Amino acid sequence: EADIYQTPRYLVIGTGKKITLECSQTMGHDKMYWYQQDPGMELHLIHYSYGVNSTEKGDLSSESTVSRIRTEHFPLTLESARPSHTSQYLCASSEFGQTTYEQYFGPGTRLTVT
Amino acid sequence: AQSVSQHNHHVILSEAASLELGCNYSYGGTVNLFWYVQYPGQHLQLLLKYFSGDPLVKGIKGFEAEFIKSKFSFNLRKPSVQWSDTAEYFCAVYGQNFVFGPGTRLSVLP
Repeated sequence: EADIYQTPRYLVIGTGKKITLECSQTMGHDKMYWYQQDPGMELHLIHYSYGVNSTEKGDLSSESTVSRIRTEHFPLTLESARPSHTSQYLCASSEFGQTTYEQYFGPGTRLTVT
Repeated sequence: AQSVSQHNHHVILSEAASLELGCNYSYGGTVNLFWYVQYPGQHLQLLLKYFSGDPLVKGIKGFEAEFIKSKFSFNLRKPSVQWSDTAEYFCAVYGQNFVFGPGTRLSVLP
């Protein structure tokens, strides 16, 4: 079944640790996104990609980095986590073309940095 | 620059009441419009979308939305809400970029 997956679902780590949040989709979508969402708040776009080897920064400044080596995989990395990074991170994907731009969302990773 | 605003931060209704959530956007060109819903602890899911044609679109779970181009609006409606509609609702617009509104929290009292 075509879907979008995120791991881990929950993560609690100490300050200064390096972490990678995984996102994979099996829908063959070209475009992928990372959003940051605090509880009950709006979504902020932090990174997106049009396809393999394409990465762009979003509207919200972020200390994270992303890579897109394979179509289905779009991991997000924090080199040195800080308490200010505590948030929920949502991954999404969409087709990239003329007819549809609907985004499909993963379940999210809730990150707590202590 | 594109932007999306939602009229209410938090709406509280009793079951069977009618619902209308406002959404306005700013963008001068052609847009695609979406309403997403996020139930507590669950993924963001698409409720409905407008690309072209009939400006009144119907979505899942009895929701509908009307695109009024002259008002740059895409309001979400449901004639009779249920307790299970308690969720966060996000309006989103794709013009130049994909932009989400700040969300409206709906609480339906049993």
